[in-house]
Formats: sequence, structure tokens, C-alpha cells
Amino acid sequence: VQLQESGPGLVKPSQTLSLTCNVSGGSIGSGSYYWSWIRQPAGKGLEWMGRISTSGSTDYNPSLKSRVSMSIDKSTDQFSLRLNSVTAADTAVYYCARAVLWRWSYWGQGILVTVSS
Amino acid sequence: EVVMTQSPATLSVSPGERATLSCRVSQSVSNGFAWYQQKPGQAPRLLIYGASTRASGIPDRFSGSGSGTEFTLTISSLQSEDSAVYYCQQEGTFGPGTRLEI
Repeated sequence: VQLQESGPGLVKPSQTLSLTCNVSGGSIGSGSYYWSWIRQPAGKGLEWMGRISTSGSTDYNPSLKSRVSMSIDKSTDQFSLRLNSVTAADTAVYYCARAVLWRWSYWGQGILVTVSS
Repeated sequence: EVVMTQSPATLSVSPGERATLSCRVSQSVSNGFAWYQQKPGQAPRLLIYGASTRASGIPDRFSGSGSGTEFTLTISSLQSEDSAVYYCQQEGTFGPGTRLEI
């Protein structure tokens, strides 16, 4: 299984950050997996943002819940992240990852998103 | 809110020696505890899950132990490629990481 993030590398403050994760080597709709987004500001630790199951149920980090949404498209083997009202504090490397329950065995390479005008 | 503490923040060890990394969780853990290794410019890699089970392809130099609120990652026969930041994780919360320098 391989995961690959894609999306704009630069987003303006107050706008919406949108990223997509393309899954290859296996169908996103098969198995009991959770598809997550995890981010990491430069030089800092990891922050789990949320997850979406194969059935489409979501679970978000309470600290981001009001601004984040995730969706899954089984027809294209992709899942997506939207983060509203971004600020400079949202500048980070964003990873998509696949989990069995709460263990992430497969990760994308990460995509740097900078929030700046 | 679950709070995770890792110690030490930085650890410097010589090749061939053993490193012991600690993680403390503010609430007792029932499942979902794991350790990850992250090298510069790379995504994290799952090392240990269920506190003590090695992930696929992880050498037996890496071992995990602990329960409740106290967990340990032990790396024996340290090699230069073990230099990395190590994170513990409990469900949706990661620890701040321990930087291991060989």
C-alpha cells in the first residue's frame, strides 16, 4: 500500500486548506481501516488531526474539530482533508496515513503547506 | 485530555550500547499504545504497537514494555542508523519525542 498527498503548498490566511491523499496498491474501501491526517510543524512534534473509516464515519481532534472535515471517495481510492480559517500556526508538513485501530503502519511522504499572504 | 511525557528529551549513546526511552501517560492505557521512529525528512515509522509487539520488519534490537501509565522502549546494540526522534503514542495523542543521538 502506498499513500501520496497532494494539494497546494501555499494557502492564504483565513482561507481553506484542502489536501487529498491518493491510495494505491489496495482499495481504500476494503478492510477495516482508518484513514488519518497527521501534521507536524517544522521542528516540532506530531499532531493527529482526525480520521475517517472505510464506512465514512469520522473522528476529529477536539482541538481542531470546529475547523476540520474529512471525506472519502472509494471510487477514486482517495480521501481528503479540509481545514478552514487557517493561520500561520497551521503551517506544517501534513501526512496522510492508514491505521488499524490506532496504529499507523502506512504513511505518505508528507506535503509541506505554508500559510502566508 | 491525555498528556504524554517522554524522557529524556535528548539521549546521546555510543554505538553498541543500549538506550532506554521512557514515556508516561496521564491516564491508564488500555490499548492503542505505540512507538514510532522518525528520521529527518521522513515520515514516522511504526516500531512497536500494543506496548510490546514489534511491527513488521522491525529488528529484535527494538523492544517495548510497560503497562498502565509507564512505558519503555529499549534499543540494544545501537547502530548509527538508529539516530532519530522517537515518539510514543496513545490513541490520538503523541508524546513530545526523544531525540536519540548515536
